[in-house]
Amino acid sequence: NAGVMQNPRHLVRRRGQEARLRCSPMKGHSHVYWYRQLPEEGLKFMVYLQKENIIDESGMPKERFSAEFPKEGPSILRIQQVVRGDSAAYFCASSPTPQGAGNQPQHFGDGTRLSIL
Amino acid sequence: SQELEQSPQSLIVQEGKNLTINCTSSKTLYGLYWYKQKYGEGLIFLMMLQKGGEEKSHEKITAKLDEKKQQSSLHITASQPSHAGIYLCGAEPGSARQLTFGSGTQLTVLP
Repeated sequence: NAGVMQNPRHLVRRRGQEARLRCSPMKGHSHVYWYRQLPEEGLKFMVYLQKENIIDESGMPKERFSAEFPKEGPSILRIQQVVRGDSAAYFCASSPTPQGAGNQPQHFGDGTRLSIL
Repeated sequence: SQELEQSPQSLIVQEGKNLTINCTSSKTLYGLYWYKQKYGEGLIFLMMLQKGGEEKSHEKITAKLDEKKQQSSLHITASQPSHAGIYLCGAEPGSARQLTFGSGTQLTVLP
């Protein structure tokens, strides 16, 4: 059973470009979470999605960031007009039930390391 | 908002030694999760604790949640170089469907 797959593993963008990060959850998981790990900082929650719905986006920056989890295909975290401060590791996690229900933990992917030149 | 404080921030031990990492919450923990992260990689799920006084073990790693559900410890017995990495505790902040993480403990095991 394949784990959470994220791609690309590394992404380099110039300031002002767009970054698209992809996440395919584990088979049978319909709940996806995105986290950001800034250099020298801890892991911070960004957004929680179910298929076709954003459930909680309380951790998302108000501008330039968006996320989706379409009926078919991977979840996408999109960052428009990137700036140097967006450089970080972005992690995706998935679970078969909502976090906290059914005693099912979140399983994480290996992350995408985003570097802004 | 819930905050998790981990101690120590970093730990260097000789192979074969036992060690303990602590995670303290500012609020009651509804679920406490331990993960391990190797540099440049993702998080590997270790254990989940939900009940006060609960204790779980896997191989040489034991995790406990205190009765008041505000503190957890992770104990490694007879450490090995393969145990090296960053250990993170995560918790559910009440009804929110997300995890709040501590800042992590960097473990180095010297051969």
